[in-house]
Amino acid sequence: GQQVMQIPQYQHVQEGEDFTTYCNSSTTLSNIQWYKQRPGGHPVFLIQLVKSGEVKKQKRLTFQFGEAKKNSSLHITATQTTDVGTYFCAERLYNFNKFYFGSGTKLNVKP
Amino acid sequence: DSGVTQTPKHLITATGQRVTLRCSPRSGDLSVYWYQQSLDQGLQFLIQYYNGEERAKGNILERFSAQQFPDLHSELNLSSLELGDSALYFCASSTDSLNTEAFFGQGTRLTVV
Repeated sequence: GQQVMQIPQYQHVQEGEDFTTYCNSSTTLSNIQWYKQRPGGHPVFLIQLVKSGEVKKQKRLTFQFGEAKKNSSLHITATQTTDVGTYFCAERLYNFNKFYFGSGTKLNVKP
Repeated sequence: DSGVTQTPKHLITATGQRVTLRCSPRSGDLSVYWYQQSLDQGLQFLIQYYNGEERAKGNILERFSAQQFPDLHSELNLSSLELGDSALYFCASSTDSLNTEAFFGQGTRLTVV
């Protein structure tokens, strides 16, 4: 079954507040990817992290990969209403071909 | 536009019936993945094909099957449909090295009545 746990399940924030979602795996990951799914849409790739301890930024989004390559986080600074959607992490495991998605964090931003 | 095409967009069928969902991957992508997303739920990995061969199986029911054809398009067959099979079914494709992103189609919304 799926190895990666994602929390929280839901997050409601006021516009301008920060938001963070976390993914934790019981096994070492070869890489981790993050996707965003807007309401009524399909998942869209945001970023991939490969190296231990890697940190990447995209404007207000900061992605981190843990030192042990078992956890990752996505942090959004000063949320906007355009950030609304569900954020998924996705894992690929060493020596496996399965491509599992976390359960997702649904973000709602109140204007 | 992701370059992945799924047909049909919507499908309504009765319990006990069989349907086929179709996916055309992005040009050049050899790998196809199928996912099921129930209402407001996560993405359940069903199965993956690479260049015509099954590569990995996830939580796919025995009533479901899939294949990938020589032209790389893929079909997901769902039979003996139950009300609980109502969901959004996504296809995704990638070039299938470990370090590549997956591109998702718009999905097929299946409603079983």
